[in-house]
Parts: sequence; C-alpha cells; structure tokens
Amino acid sequence: DAGVIQSPRHEVTEMGQEVTLRCKPISGHNSLFWYRQTMMRGLELLIYFNNNVPIDDSGMPEDRFSAKMPNASFSTLKIQPSEPRDSAVYFCASSFLSGRKSSGANVLTFGAGSRLTVL
Amino acid sequence: DAKTTQPPSMDCAEGRAANLPCNHSTISGNEYVYWYRQIHSQGPQYIIHGLKNNETNEMASLIITEDRKSSTLILPHATLRDTAVYYCIVNTGFQKLVFGTGTRLLVSP
Repeated sequence: DAGVIQSPRHEVTEMGQEVTLRCKPISGHNSLFWYRQTMMRGLELLIYFNNNVPIDDSGMPEDRFSAKMPNASFSTLKIQPSEPRDSAVYFCASSFLSGRKSSGANVLTFGAGSRLTVL
Repeated sequence: DAKTTQPPSMDCAEGRAANLPCNHSTISGNEYVYWYRQIHSQGPQYIIHGLKNNETNEMASLIITEDRKSSTLILPHATLRDTAVYYCIVNTGFQKLVFGTGTRLLVSP
C-alpha cells in the first residue's frame, strides 16, 4: 500500500482564491481525519469522517472551510475564500475504526501533508 | 479525552536509551495510551500503544504504571534519526486523537 496520499504537496495562492486539498486514504480504512498544523497552534483536528459520514466538524475554523468524502477512497478539504491566516500544513490521516465503542485502539496513518501559503 | 503532561524537551546521547515520560493521572479504564512522533516537516508517525500491559515492538517499548496514571516510552538505542517531537495521547478507540505539544527529543552524537 502506498499509504495516505495527499495532493498537492505545496500550494501558494493569493488571498481570496479557492484552495482544494485532496486525500486518498489507505484502502480498507473507514475513518479519515483532517488536521492543520501551525507553529502557534500546533496540530489541530479539523474534522473526521467515519464510513464517509462527517462525525465531528467542531474543529473547522469557520464557514470558509468545508470538507467532503464522496466515497471511501477520496476526500477534499476546501477553503473559499482563502486568507493569509490559513497558511499552514494540512495533514490527512486514516484508520480503521470498529463500529463497537468498546473495540480496540485507533491507530492513525498520516500523509505527508500539504503545505499551504496564502499571500 | 484525558489530559497528558509531557516535558517540553529532552536530550539524549546517540546509542543511549531515551526514556520519555508522560503523566495522565485522569485516564479512565477504557482509554489507551498512544505514542506518536513527528520528524521535522513530516506527518506524525505512530509508534506504539497500550491499555494496561507493557508493550514492545520494533520501534520502542511502552511501560505503563500499575495505576495507569503515567507511562514511559523507551527508545532502547537512540539514533540521530530519532530526533523528533514525541506525542503522548490517551483516549478510547472510538474517539478522535487530540495532539498536545509533545516532547522535543534531541539526540546528539
């Protein structure tokens, strides 16, 4: 397996432009997580999906951010319009979560990240 | 999620064991202890996890105290490539993983 694949690896855009980050999780994983990392705030969980359904989006900063998971092998994180304060590294991670709450551990595999710079 | 406390930084000589502590005094009975690390500019990498018993894999050992209120990650023979930020996280399997600030480990020659 190639692991979690993110694209683009680097993106530089101007304020006000739309940004779309993409993620392909590991085949067979049923949960997908979007994190954002900055020097000031560290690693923040933005949203996570289980079986393609958003479970918790409480970390999404504001309405400019949206995430979708149309199928088990693809997810997007969109920022529209982008602002300089959105500059960060965005990580996608996937895992297999059993449906039973008393089940085992949740081990995440992270992608290499997408470094976004908004000028 | 139970909160964890880790020292902000630690140093270790190459070839020696690195022992990274983590306090999680409010951990509940069904919460796991996870360790991840992040090497500069890379995505976080899973290392090991445990519930009650000590665990060992090819990367590290995890020692959990009997009361489960603290744990130690042991890298038996640290190398320069082990320089990274190490995160200790506790939660149940069904919850989202929330990362704290971690311990910055510097392995020196």
